Amino acid sequence: GAVVSQHPSWVICKSGTSVKIECRSLDFQATTMFWYRQFPKQSLMLMATSNEGSKATYEQGVEKDKFLINHASLTLSTLTVTSAHPEDSSFYICSARGLAGGTYTQYFGPGTRLTVL
Amino acid sequence: DQQVKQNSPSLSVQEGRISILNCDYTNSMFDYFLWYKKYPAEGPTFLISISSIKDKNEDGRFTVFLNKSAKHLSLHIVPSQPGDSAVYFCAASGIRGSTLGRLYFGRGTQLTVWP
Repeated sequence: GAVVSQHPSWVICKSGTSVKIECRSLDFQATTMFWYRQFPKQSLMLMATSNEGSKATYEQGVEKDKFLINHASLTLSTLTVTSAHPEDSSFYICSARGLAGGTYTQYFGPGTRLTVL
Repeated sequence: DQQVKQNSPSLSVQEGRISILNCDYTNSMFDYFLWYKKYPAEGPTFLISISSIKDKNEDGRFTVFLNKSAKHLSLHIVPSQPGDSAVYFCAASGIRGSTLGRLYFGRGTQLTVWP
């Protein structure tokens, strides 16, 4: 079945540094990729939507200069958290939407846990 | 404004019995619905979906029912197994306007299946 991978799965960094998270669709082409953030015991919060080759569309309240999203190909999107601070510590999940198995659906990556010290 | 609602934050069911998870939505532009299962510290796993042209879709132990007039859908798990214990998210999407390509999630229901 369709698989979405994320790398790294877990990262710890110092405050003020930048962290890049990769999201790949492994056996289908993702026309659209989404980045979510999950806080403990809350639903997934959509941060931004990106289409291949286009600028990402950010949700209200999400700082686009802080959360840089690049969707360079149909199988790869990256999220860079710039100048990370402890309040950015969270679980970041990417999702890829595309044609897989004959139908359009949306699959999620395993998530990346970011801890900023 | 929560357009997809899962009003039960938790559900506890005995192994072997049926688990019924409910979901309501408010946006009439939604026409595609999905259920995801999520374990702690992992990304959601796609379970089953249903298009608005159907009222039922079945896949093994999982069946999703859609009642468009009531804007309600439910996920039935029969028989329930301890490994089904997880948070279940209901999600909706549409093909027009602001709903195009986006998934709107409920807050999730924690299912616990006990032996």
